[in-house]
Amino acid sequence: DIQMTQSPSTLSASVGDRVTITCRASQSSFAWLAWYQQKPGKAPKLLIYKASTLENGVPSRFSGSGSGTEFTLTISSLQPDDFATYYCQQYYLYPLTFGGGTKVEIK
Amino acid sequence: EVQLVESGGGLVQPGGSLRLSCAVSGFTFSNYWMTWVRQAPGKGLEWVADVSQDGRTVYYVESVKGRFTISRDNTKNSLFLQMDSLRVEDTAVYYCGRDSGSYRYFDFWGQGTLVTVSS
Repeated sequence: DIQMTQSPSTLSASVGDRVTITCRASQSSFAWLAWYQQKPGKAPKLLIYKASTLENGVPSRFSGSGSGTEFTLTISSLQPDDFATYYCQQYYLYPLTFGGGTKVEIK
Repeated sequence: EVQLVESGGGLVQPGGSLRLSCAVSGFTFSNYWMTWVRQAPGKGLEWVADVSQDGRTVYYVESVKGRFTISRDNTKNSLFLQMDSLRVEDTAVYYCGRDSGSYRYFDFWGQGTLVTVSS
């Protein structure tokens, strides 16, 4: 199984900050990686797929990069609506696996 | 508008069974792989099972193999998860999701249904 490790697990930031979340895979998942945003009590929302492709309707302040075993999600200027938990997911191999999540909190 | 609506969750005793349903609309159901993902209270996301467009190919996470069965009815635009021999650790919100085209990431999700396994 491909294990996905996110860091940090919690991040405190202010509106306007640049935020970077890292996701590491235990073996290469090439570019088959997606990022999701989840707010409390809600379903996850797809942000990015194929490591760096922005889903339709997602603000351009979100971006993704990386390939192989190391990936990043960057929010260029944090907005109030962005305080949430973020998950990465590899879809190169079954079983499909998610990272443990990164909670972005208000500083 | 794409919609996925789960139902069938509830309280069940350990060893019991439950069948979840997911009714979909707003897209051609038979063209897409579909998935179930769960989230234990206060925990992260865990993929559970995937089913191909025609229902013939399925995949499961190891922890539910032999106990859960994913299936679909393309005539009724519905996805199912039959859960048998339930364990306390199966307690979670269960989400159905649409796999995006040829790839196994999920572009649309339902609102989730809570399954509680407890005596």
